[in-house]
Amino acid sequence: GENVEQHPSTLSVQEGDSAVIKCTYSDSASNYFPWYKQELGKRPQLIIDIRSNVGEKKDQRIAVTLNKTAKHFSLHITETQPEDSAVYFCAARLVYNQGGKLIFGQGTELSVKP
Amino acid sequence: DGGITQSPKYLFRKEGQNVTLSCEQNLNHDAMYWYRQDPGQGLRLIYYSQIVNDFQKGDIAEGYSVSREKKESFPLTVTSAQKNPTAFYLCASSMGRGQQETQYFGPGTRLLVL
Repeated sequence: GENVEQHPSTLSVQEGDSAVIKCTYSDSASNYFPWYKQELGKRPQLIIDIRSNVGEKKDQRIAVTLNKTAKHFSLHITETQPEDSAVYFCAARLVYNQGGKLIFGQGTELSVKP
Repeated sequence: DGGITQSPKYLFRKEGQNVTLSCEQNLNHDAMYWYRQDPGQGLRLIYYSQIVNDFQKGDIAEGYSVSREKKESFPLTVTSAQKNPTAFYLCASSMGRGQQETQYFGPGTRLLVL
């Protein structure tokens, strides 16, 4: 079945360093890839997304890249700050079946140390 | 995502009891979703609905039931058949029908078994 693999499961960086989280997806027809940030006990919040007709998207310190050929996409956070500490989830949207539902990765727990 | 609410915040279930989790949205979204989140894991889709009076099973529908009688409401019932219901339950909504894929999440309900 369709799945999304996310790595690493945990990531620890020093404040000011960059963080990179990678995801691979199995369905080549997927066309939408959002990233969510979830703080402890809170709801997931969309932080950035990318569509399959675009290779890269940036929003201040956050960027996402997409390689459709290799079926993987990555989240890049530059100049990390302690408030970036959270669990990050990637997802891929299936296109042709099941109403375009999202398939989520397993999550990456990011810890930014002051 | 302030326009999507869930209640209660915490819910306790006794063995053999059915419980219902509420999800309401005032975003005029067509599509609504229920996810289950276990500690250290990603989000797994339970049920989703693309339009009123219609819904489909997700990946882990066994032991759960839903209804979609109104556009703004999508309640989830955890039945006694669900043997391991302890989890964080998240409801989400999106415009649906391929218009805008972004899913917005409610604050979640934490279900605990007594």
